[in-house]
Amino acid sequence: QGQLVQSAAEVKKPGASVKVSCKASGYTFTSYGINWVRQAPGQGLEWMGWISGYNGHTKYGQQFQDRVTLTTDTSTATVYMELRSLRSDDTAVYYCARDVDYGGNFYYFDPWGQGTLVTVSS
Amino acid sequence: DIQMTQSPSSLSASVGDRVTITCRASQTISTYLNWYQQKPGKAPNILIYAASSLQSGVPSRFSGSGSGTYFTLTISSLQPEDFATYYCQQSDSDPRTFGGGTRVEIK
Repeated sequence: QGQLVQSAAEVKKPGASVKVSCKASGYTFTSYGINWVRQAPGQGLEWMGWISGYNGHTKYGQQFQDRVTLTTDTSTATVYMELRSLRSDDTAVYYCARDVDYGGNFYYFDPWGQGTLVTVSS
Repeated sequence: DIQMTQSPSSLSASVGDRVTITCRASQTISTYLNWYQQKPGKAPNILIYAASSLQSGVPSRFSGSGSGTYFTLTISSLQPEDFATYYCQQSDSDPRTFGGGTRVEIK
């Protein structure tokens, strides 16, 4: 159970910022964290960061530490991912995914949002 | 960061074939290993967690094994709907890195 619905595709110019939303439904939002993962065209999966749905605590991948901010709005069960100083190599599909803890520090991602294509082009 | 290396990067197989994909971690991760399936244009879906636990609803032809640094995903009898890309992911420590993926194509 549970569903994540992301915002629509975006086209941005280099140097701009983008803010992608991920709206959760069908489960208790504050009981789970949300991860963000991106996938460049024809490439693999890259973890960007995580935010707690309970208290907004965040963890970021080192390569994104200075450019990404994750936030939550518990009133609407929505998580936001803002990426700044966009470059052409930020062109990718960005996914949110719920963090499932099945005990003993075991986690997996389920479900995933449908993905948001962000295109960075001048 | 823990590096995850999958092999092969792609393979061609026929319906009914037994297929095995391997994933190696750069350091020991116990059984903190997940497998995902991704079809073109879609988000990944969890298949197996904790190295060998089958996610609810996933067909029993999928199985996972391994611990420490070496893991395998096996499809016992490949079905048409299994042609996809498969990714391993470690959940031992942050960042929760993924393998590079294995694309399973129709022979």
